[in-house]
Amino acid sequence: AQSVTQLGSHVSVSEGALVLLRCNYSSSVPPYLFWYVQYPNQGLQLLLKYTTGATLVKGINGFEAEFKKSETSFHLTKPSAHMSDAAEYFCAVPNGRGNAGNMLTFGGGTRLMVKP
Amino acid sequence: DVKVTQSSRYLVKRTGEKVFLECVQDMDHENMFWYRQDPGLGLRLIYFSYDVKMKEKGDIPEGYSVSREKKERFSLILESASTNQTSMYLCASSSSGGSNEKLFFGSGTQLSVL
Repeated sequence: AQSVTQLGSHVSVSEGALVLLRCNYSSSVPPYLFWYVQYPNQGLQLLLKYTTGATLVKGINGFEAEFKKSETSFHLTKPSAHMSDAAEYFCAVPNGRGNAGNMLTFGGGTRLMVKP
Repeated sequence: DVKVTQSSRYLVKRTGEKVFLECVQDMDHENMFWYRQDPGLGLRLIYFSYDVKMKEKGDIPEGYSVSREKKERFSLILESASTNQTSMYLCASSSSGGSNEKLFFGSGTQLSVL
């Protein structure tokens, strides 16, 4: 079954610095990959979604992710961190179950802290 | 604006109590999910439902049951709460319009079992 691994449970950057959050998927190339964000005291919301074709995906709030088959990776980046980006970020992949293949397996999450 | 509402933000229960967590969505979604969120473990699926009265076990169903009598409501039941069920519980819904429709999440219920 598909799974994702997020390297680094906590990442700390200074405001204005590059944000890089890492996600690697297992084995076969998934048809979809997702990044979700959870702001404090809120549920998760979709940040961006990869579908087969375009390798660079742009999401909300200036985030983007690049699908690299050779590295089995789907890392999330943002050129310049803002204080409001402090949140927990989850990578997710369909695990092939569910009535429309739409059940997701989530990574362990990465908490992003932004220092002033 | 789409909405998934969880009835309680914080809940404190005693070991052995029967606990009901309620979730309501207003988007006419077919699919509804219950996840628990624990630090370092991400989200783990407890149960999901793809239609009224239909349910399937997720990855960690032990100690839990669910009920879906109406399309908009999906309840998670802890028959006899235990301390290892202390966690954040997240409800989500999605449409079956196409594969891999995005999930809409509620704000979560932080359950403490003492």
